[in-house]
Amino acid sequence: EAQVTQNPRYLITVTGKKLTVTCSQNMNHEYMSWYRQDPGLGLRQIYYSMNVEVTDKGDVPEGYKVSRKEKRNFPLILESPSPNQTSLYFCASSSIGLGNTIYFGEGSWLTVV
Amino acid sequence: AQKITQTQPGMFVQEKEAVTLDCTYDTSDPSYGLFWYKQPSSGEMIFLIYQGSYDQQNATEGRYSLNFQKARKSANLVISASQLGDSAMYFCAMREGSNDYKLSFGAGTTVTVRA
Repeated sequence: EAQVTQNPRYLITVTGKKLTVTCSQNMNHEYMSWYRQDPGLGLRQIYYSMNVEVTDKGDVPEGYKVSRKEKRNFPLILESPSPNQTSLYFCASSSIGLGNTIYFGEGSWLTVV
Repeated sequence: AQKITQTQPGMFVQEKEAVTLDCTYDTSDPSYGLFWYKQPSSGEMIFLIYQGSYDQQNATEGRYSLNFQKARKSANLVISASQLGDSAMYFCAMREGSNDYKLSFGAGTTVTVRA
């Protein structure tokens, strides 16, 4: 079954404590992305990767890091989380090409206190 | 500038009736794709329907159809015969040929289906 898997699904953490949200896809997709969803703003892209070792900033990259050492994995790292990073996070993947569906993980609810 | 605009924050619809969700977009790229996603209260993003900019016919998928008016840059989603399970947030999104690594999303429309 085609899947994008993120972990953890739910997390409450404290300001400044580094955390990593993992993302893995089993569809051999080239593209992977991270989005955050905030009320009234829809989803906004944080970082994306077009292939292994190729990453770039999206619209809201501040406070986040990513890496793409393997094609299937694309972890999101919050080195020093702050309360304004409290959000719902989605990992997504896709093949190259406009008409290819972008698949989303189930989302990770992150609260920073 | 906002690439995707959804002007209806929330809508109510009676069960078994049709509902139209508005979406307008802004791009100068001649090649683009338009997507609609459904997000139930559990949070996951469910792909509903796709329309390519060069597609001659409006897309349909079961009870979902897309009213694509290219000159007006609108891509409205029509849900026919609404069901209680259709209650959710709906997002319109666009993928452009020059930036096909990302989706640009609208703010979403919450649909509540009444029995």
